Amino acid sequence: EAGVVQSPRYKIIEKKQPVAFWCNPISGHNTLYWYLQNLGQGPELLIRYENEEAVDDSQLPKDRFSAERLKGVDSTLKIQPAELGDSAVYLCASGGAGTDTQYFGPGTRLTVL
Amino acid sequence: RKEVEQDPGPFNVPEGATVAFNCTYSNSASQSFFWYRQDCRKEPKLLMSVYSSGNEDGRFTAQLNRASQYISLLIRDSKLSDSATYLCVVNVGPSMRFGAGTRLTVKP
Repeated sequence: EAGVVQSPRYKIIEKKQPVAFWCNPISGHNTLYWYLQNLGQGPELLIRYENEEAVDDSQLPKDRFSAERLKGVDSTLKIQPAELGDSAVYLCASGGAGTDTQYFGPGTRLTVL
Repeated sequence: RKEVEQDPGPFNVPEGATVAFNCTYSNSASQSFFWYRQDCRKEPKLLMSVYSSGNEDGRFTAQLNRASQYISLLIRDSKLSDSATYLCVVNVGPSMRFGAGTRLTVKP
């Protein structure tokens, strides 16, 4: 069974540029999460989807971050414009209905110069 | 107070040692608890869920103390391959919150 797929794996951009990350969850998983992880810290939730509905986006900096999961399957996270402090690993995870167990993708390592 | 707090670490132990990590959580209504393992520059992977009655998986034992609001992870007979960061995860409402992680290094 294929795991969570993320792309790109690495991204280097200059500050003020836009960037987008893509995630395809495990087939059949209704729940999708986007996390941000800084070095030496645990993942911090940005947004959680149940199918196409964002059920928890309280930690998403909405002035520059946006996310969508239009058909309830794959998802895109966007930052516009990126700031130096956005350099981090962006992790996507998915989970099945009725469970809190999460399966993570390999992440996208973003460097903002 | 942070929602989920872990022992700061790092823990450096010899092979064969027993090591224990604690994690405290602030929300008394939390119902779901997990330990994840994260290798350097890799994604977190589920190690084990933590049940009210405690649970064991081989060399790993997880326990929950609701009264004191903490969970623990015990690793017996440590192996070199156990070297990783161990993340405590607790639900806060509908979403999960991760601790900062405790780094373990097992040395020959």
